[in-house]
Amino acid sequence: EAQVTQNPRYLITVTGKKLTVTCSQNMNHEYMSWYRQDPGLGLRQIYYSMNVEVTDKGDVPEGYKVSRKEKRNFPLILESPSPNQTSLYFCASSPYGPDNTYEQYFGPGTRLTVT
Amino acid sequence: EDQVTQSPEALRLQEGESSSLNCSYTVSGLRGLFWYRQDPGKGPEFLFTLYSAGEEKEKERLKATLTKKESFLHITAPKPEDSATYLCAVQNDYKLSFGAGTTVTVRA
Repeated sequence: EAQVTQNPRYLITVTGKKLTVTCSQNMNHEYMSWYRQDPGLGLRQIYYSMNVEVTDKGDVPEGYKVSRKEKRNFPLILESPSPNQTSLYFCASSPYGPDNTYEQYFGPGTRLTVT
Repeated sequence: EDQVTQSPEALRLQEGESSSLNCSYTVSGLRGLFWYRQDPGKGPEFLFTLYSAGEEKEKERLKATLTKKESFLHITAPKPEDSATYLCAVQNDYKLSFGAGTTVTVRA
């Protein structure tokens, strides 16, 4: 089954404890991206990757890191989480569409709580 | 900075009562405008891509249209299963910007 998987789905952690949220896709997509979703603010792009070893910042990259060493995986790293990073996180992947547009397939989400 | 504004925030409809959702945008170079559907507790699901003003796309009871400043998602004769949050997004180069969404509730 074609899908984007994220782990863990739920995570409660404490301020300053490093964590990684994994994202994997089995569709051989070039483009991958991370978003956070907060009430009233919608989805905001954190980082994106156009291909292996090529990543760039989205609108809210502060406090996050990413790496793209393999096409299928795009982990999100929080080196020192803070309470304002409590949110619902989505990973997405996309093939290249017409004019390099991205019709994204989203994962099921990771609900993160930082206390 | 790219901006996407969706209205209304919430829409309550009777089954069969057609309506429209609005997505206003400002973007320096539009590659595409996207509509997604999101059910509670799930990731967004892709519906449509629109590339240029005047373009229209349809899927079942949904029809999306695009002008140079806004897009509309028309829901014709909605059913309860159309209840969801509908998200609009624009792509500028490699970046995407989403609106906050319109939550549609369709009562039987």
